[in-house]
Amino acid sequence: ETGVTQSPTHLIKTRGQQVTLRCSSQSGHNTVSWYQQALGQGPQFIFQYYREEENGRGNFPPRFSGLQFPNYSSELNVNALELDDSALYLCASSEDWTSNTGELFFGEGSRLTVL
Amino acid sequence: AQSVTQLGSHVSVSEGALVLLRCNYSSSVPPYLFWYVQYPNQGLQLLLKYTTGATLVKGINGFEAEFKKSETSFHLTKPSAHMSDAAEYFCAVMGAAGNKLTFGGGTRVLVKP
Repeated sequence: ETGVTQSPTHLIKTRGQQVTLRCSSQSGHNTVSWYQQALGQGPQFIFQYYREEENGRGNFPPRFSGLQFPNYSSELNVNALELDDSALYLCASSEDWTSNTGELFFGEGSRLTVL
Repeated sequence: AQSVTQLGSHVSVSEGALVLLRCNYSSSVPPYLFWYVQYPNQGLQLLLKYTTGATLVKGINGFEAEFKKSETSFHLTKPSAHMSDAAEYFCAVMGAAGNKLTFGGGTRVLVKP
């Protein structure tokens, strides 16, 4: 089975630009979560998608948005980039979240630098 | 709301020595607790988890953790450190909603030869 894959692995943007990050979930997983990990900190929950619907959101402004597609892959979009958006963005997939096993499978992340 | 506190952002141990990483949590409901490891330039890998049942949980790579409800702790241990254990370790809690993990700030482990 394939694991969680994210693209791009690294990217550099300037303030005010927009970025789209992509994630392919692990085979058999219908739930995708996104986390932001700033340098030297633990990951922070951005939002979760379950069967193409947002299923919970952390303390992030509306310029952070997402999508989940019928094949359960997902996108994270960030508009009007700010310097503080520089971070590692982690995607994690899991089995049906209602089973509540809690186990997330993480990709290697997309490292975003905003200049 | 849940929160996680990891005591010590950096821990240095000698190869072969005990590794002890401390984690305390707060949760309004019985928690699910996790330890993840992150190697440089990689994502997070699950070491072990506690959901229900036995409070001593064994994970991969010789790690184990004990859930102590009275102390709201979930400390991670490994009897004998190996050079390959050098990484950052994150404790996390998931509440009843089951839709997000709350992570601690992480503890970076350095293993000295």
